[in-house]
Amino acid sequence: QQPVQSPQAVILREGEDAVINCSSSKALYSVHWYRQKHGEAPVFLMILLKGGEQKGHDKISASFNEKKQQSSLYLTASQLSYSGTYFCGTESADAGGTSYGKLTFGQGTILTVHP
Amino acid sequence: AAGVIQSPRHLIKEKRETATLKCYPISRHDTVYWYQQGPGQDPQFLISFYEKMQSDKGSIPDRFSAQQFSDYHSELNMSSLELGDSALYFCASTPQGGIYGYTGELFFGEGSRLTVL
Repeated sequence: QQPVQSPQAVILREGEDAVINCSSSKALYSVHWYRQKHGEAPVFLMILLKGGEQKGHDKISASFNEKKQQSSLYLTASQLSYSGTYFCGTESADAGGTSYGKLTFGQGTILTVHP
Repeated sequence: AAGVIQSPRHLIKEKRETATLKCYPISRHDTVYWYQQGPGQDPQFLISFYEKMQSDKGSIPDRFSAQQFSDYHSELNMSSLELGDSALYFCASTPQGGIYGYTGELFFGEGSRLTVL
């Protein structure tokens, strides 16, 4: 079942922060976050494994609440280069963590950063 | 280092024709995934291969088939094309299918855009 992302779209000014949420009705093994610019390939941001964790690099971080089957992506001090569509991709827990790379993506969140 | 190479980048076909897309994974990556992305849609998993064997299957139509060859490149064959097959087809690769070496990152190619008229 497809995870649900919210919000569907976000408009920011440079330097502002944003949070994108990803929620699943199924037990998850992992959550992946990707950013895709129009007409280009998705680019990997990070993966979070079950067990509940938080990860981050630079000004982009994420958390995974295993009990709620929810993940959030945090973008701080946004830059123009952050613009794009953000997808969360999930691997279900019933695959036992063996469905490497078989991701079910959310519908995407369009992030636009203005100067 | 070279990334995932897909060819052709653009393809125009008529309904009921066939098409073949090719994917050359990053060197030493032995696992290949195919995703289909319709306009304004999220990528949909089609099929994956590990060490030349099919490892997972998603929403791939029966009209489509795929395989991975001894040099690890993969081909997606699509027959009896329909208008709804128009999409961006991505190939992605990872090293060493399984927990050994898999970091969770899918390395995507730039995609092959198929237009069915």
